[in-house]
Amino acid sequence: DIQMTQSPSLLSASVGDRVTLNCKASQNINKNLNWYQQKLGEAPKLLIYYTNNLQTGIPSRFSGSGSGTDYTLTISSLQPEDVATYFCFQYNSGLTFGSGTKLEIK
Amino acid sequence: QVKLQQSGAELVKPGASVKLSCKTSGYTFSTSYMSWFKQIPGQSIEWIGMIYAGDGGTGYNQKFKGKATLTVDTSSSTAYMDLSSLTTEDSAVYFCARPPFDYWGQGVMVTVSS
Repeated sequence: DIQMTQSPSLLSASVGDRVTLNCKASQNINKNLNWYQQKLGEAPKLLIYYTNNLQTGIPSRFSGSGSGTDYTLTISSLQPEDVATYFCFQYNSGLTFGSGTKLEIK
Repeated sequence: QVKLQQSGAELVKPGASVKLSCKTSGYTFSTSYMSWFKQIPGQSIEWIGMIYAGDGGTGYNQKFKGKATLTVDTSSSTAYMDLSSLTTEDSAVYFCARPPFDYWGQGVMVTVSS
C-alpha cells in the first residue's frame, strides 16, 4: 500500500502569508494526486486535481506542484477563510489520504 | 448540478448492523462508480470500497472486507453501504464520493454505543 506523509501536521501563519504544505508518497504516484480542504463538520472539498489543476470555483491563490513522490500545495496569500485541515490524496495505486495539515491563523 | 445526499445520523448498539444511503442526482448514476470513506473525527480519511452501478461490481479495502457491503439501486440512483457486527471502533463519519472524487456527500455520523 502507498503511504502518504504530510508535513507539517500543524501550521500557524498570518493573514497574507505565503503558505506551503507538503505531501510525500512512499513510492512514485505519477502526479495522480489531489488536494482537499476540510472544514470542521464538513465534507472534503476538492481544491487541486492531478497535482496542479485548479478545480472550478477555487480561488487562484491555491496552487499545486510536484512529481514523483513529492508534492506541494501553496496558498499565495493566506485568508481567514482558509482555516481548515488540508489532505493530499493519491489514486495512482489504491486510494490513500495523507495524515493532514491543520492550518491556523496566527 | 451534481448532488450526493446522505441519510441521517445513526446511533446503534454494539453487534448490530446499519445501512447507510447516498442518494444522487444531476448525473448518470447507472454508468458511474461510487466510493465510500470512513473518517474518525480528528483523524485522516480511509477508503472503504467502490461499486460500479452498471453491474454492481465491487472492490474493497482489505481492512473492510466482511465489515462493509456496497450495493446500489439504479431505479432511485442511490448507493448503499451496510456495516455489520458494529463495534465502538466503527464509530465515525462515513462519506460517499463520486469518482473522480470531485463530489462528496455531506457525511453521516455513526455512533456505536450501548
